[in-house]
Amino acid sequence: QSVLTQPPSVSGTPGQRVTISCSGITSSIGGNTVNWYQQLPGTPPKLLIYSGNQRPSGVPDRFSGSMSDTSASLAISGLQSEDEADYYCAAWDDRMNGRLFGGGTKLTVL
Amino acid sequence: QVQVVQSGAEVEKPGASVRVSCKTSGNTFTDYWIHWVRQAPGQGLEWMAMINPTLGRTTYSQKFQDRVVMTADTSTNTVYIHLSGLRSEDTAFYYCVYCKYYYGAGAPDKWGPGTLVTVSS
Repeated sequence: QSVLTQPPSVSGTPGQRVTISCSGITSSIGGNTVNWYQQLPGTPPKLLIYSGNQRPSGVPDRFSGSMSDTSASLAISGLQSEDEADYYCAAWDDRMNGRLFGGGTKLTVL
Repeated sequence: QVQVVQSGAEVEKPGASVRVSCKTSGNTFTDYWIHWVRQAPGQGLEWMAMINPTLGRTTYSQKFQDRVVMTADTSTNTVYIHLSGLRSEDTAFYYCVYCKYYYGAGAPDKWGPGTLVTVSS
């Protein structure tokens, strides 16, 4: 069974840089299929990064994405209290011929 | 700017069926895909299926393929997902996601507000 693995939780202090990893990407299209989402309580997921490292308009450049082999990473620099949320990675999976989501990572700003 | 509107909350009994709609307007792409993703209370995101309304092509997650049917009405830019044989574990928010490509990336997507489906006797 295909799985995208994320750490359950990460934390940081204001101004710090944190990274969230996502492993298990098997798409033959590679990193071009990886998106990152931020979800605040009671709201739909919000797109932060698409195609591995592209930022939609309106997303601060504090958020950045990168790829390496079968893994992806989301970096958040200059951490702010409003960044406290759940973060999900998503990627196309060739084996299931569908989209796969990571289990989510809860970011706590201390 | 594309807008995505979903139908309202539903409460159904176990064994029943439910249909959720997703209407898009201001479509940025003439050829696009609608994905359905659900989220049970306090849980993560789960991909269910996708449809290309123009081509009529559908792909279902193996987990749901026996219980889910998607249809599209191109005259109103509305996509429907029908889930049958409801059980308590199907209680969740159901989101439709407007995407340019089948693989869900390549361009910014747009999520609907979600539809809460509650399955309870």
